[in-house]
Amino acid sequence: DTGVSQNPRHKITKRGQNVTFRCDPISEHNRLYWYRQTLGQGPEFLTYFQNEAQLEKSRLLSDRFSAERPKGSFSTLEIQRTEQGDSAMYLCASSLARTSGFIQETQYFGPGTRLLVL
Amino acid sequence: GQQLNQSPQSMFIQEGEDVSMNCTSSSIFNTWLWYKQDPGEGPVLLIALYKAGELTSNGRLTAQFGITRKDSFLNISASIPSDVGIYFCAGQGNNRKLIWGLGTSLAVNP
Repeated sequence: DTGVSQNPRHKITKRGQNVTFRCDPISEHNRLYWYRQTLGQGPEFLTYFQNEAQLEKSRLLSDRFSAERPKGSFSTLEIQRTEQGDSAMYLCASSLARTSGFIQETQYFGPGTRLLVL
Repeated sequence: GQQLNQSPQSMFIQEGEDVSMNCTSSSIFNTWLWYKQDPGEGPVLLIALYKAGELTSNGRLTAQFGITRKDSFLNISASIPSDVGIYFCAGQGNNRKLIWGLGTSLAVNP
């Protein structure tokens, strides 16, 4: 078990450019989450997948953001026409969700991709 | 979005001292999680709590799931310099979303 991995770890881009981040979850984890984190704050939920289905998107996720998990394994998060306000740490987490009378789930995070939009 | 009340916001302690931090919520949670985050890294899970009243230890760390299901605390005993970092609590309710505290920044003076 190598844990959750994310690539790239750092990305510097110019305003208006498109960027794509990749997340490889812990194998056999059926849920995958994307979060955004800015300095001094906890992670903010963006979206999550159960297998390949995207089940929920936050209102924070504007039309410029799109996420995919085509085969229920790795996921990509794309930001189109980046803006300076998109600068943040983008975190991916995965979990094995199961129910045993009540919902029990623990999310494990990757190292994050730090985006700087100039 | 919704956030948990996490306190204290920051702590500066001497090596060897014990540390205590807590989180409270207006909502009931099914799961409480405690994470530690180092600068430029993702949160690392320290302790997961699944039952009201549950008390769990992980080395020098001890955490409890409050009996009302609306609070949790984390204790660190005999702190060492590598305990430095930001500690986050997170609660999870029936909608599976993690609700986060704003973090407790811990500094340890050797």
